[in-house]
Amino acid sequence: NAGVTQTPKFRILKIGQSMTLQCAQDMNHNYMYWYRQDPGMGLKLIYYSVGAGITDKGEVPNGYNVSRSTTEDFPLRLELAAPSQTSVYFCASSALSGDGYTFGSGTRLTVV
Amino acid sequence: RKEVEQDPGPFNVPEGATVAFNCTYSNSASQSFFWYRQDCRKEPKLLMSVYSSGNEDGRFTAQLNRASQYISLLIRDSKLSDSATYLCVVTKNGNAGKSTFGDGTTLTVKP
Repeated sequence: NAGVTQTPKFRILKIGQSMTLQCAQDMNHNYMYWYRQDPGMGLKLIYYSVGAGITDKGEVPNGYNVSRSTTEDFPLRLELAAPSQTSVYFCASSALSGDGYTFGSGTRLTVV
Repeated sequence: RKEVEQDPGPFNVPEGATVAFNCTYSNSASQSFFWYRQDCRKEPKLLMSVYSSGNEDGRFTAQLNRASQYISLLIRDSKLSDSATYLCVVTKNGNAGKSTFGDGTTLTVKP
């Protein structure tokens, strides 16, 4: 039972490059979320989705985009990477609104 | 003011001690409450949900006071393996399940 799978685990990007962080869950959860966590800080919501084909912005969406073509997958796209996007990115899912989350193991991104 | 506030600590306690963490939230519309545990360089993991009636899971007890907008986590008989950062989380039902995370309280249990 894989839960939430994120790839890659680590990545170094140069300023201006783009990349996609992958997230997949096998629990048939409708709700999926992308958070970023800066050192010593709490998690901040980037984007979320309540089901396939439905996405919306969170607290810190600038510089990111998402899509949700299937229930299982929720990729996060970074366009024109900037040093301020250096962070740990966590994908999470939940079955119902108000449930606790299951998190992926995270992607540690450094932009240089 | 942050929507969820925690004492960052660190809390350094000996094995066997009892330690309590507190958390306050500002949005009275918050409906669901959780404590997560996060080990160094790992993802957060759900520790327990928090209810007004209080709930207990082994050595861990969580309490919610809606009137004071206050959540607590009590750990009894601390173990070395309890060393981690504890995150207080609140969610507004009907808000697509979006959760707001506190910055975390760091606990170190020493031999």
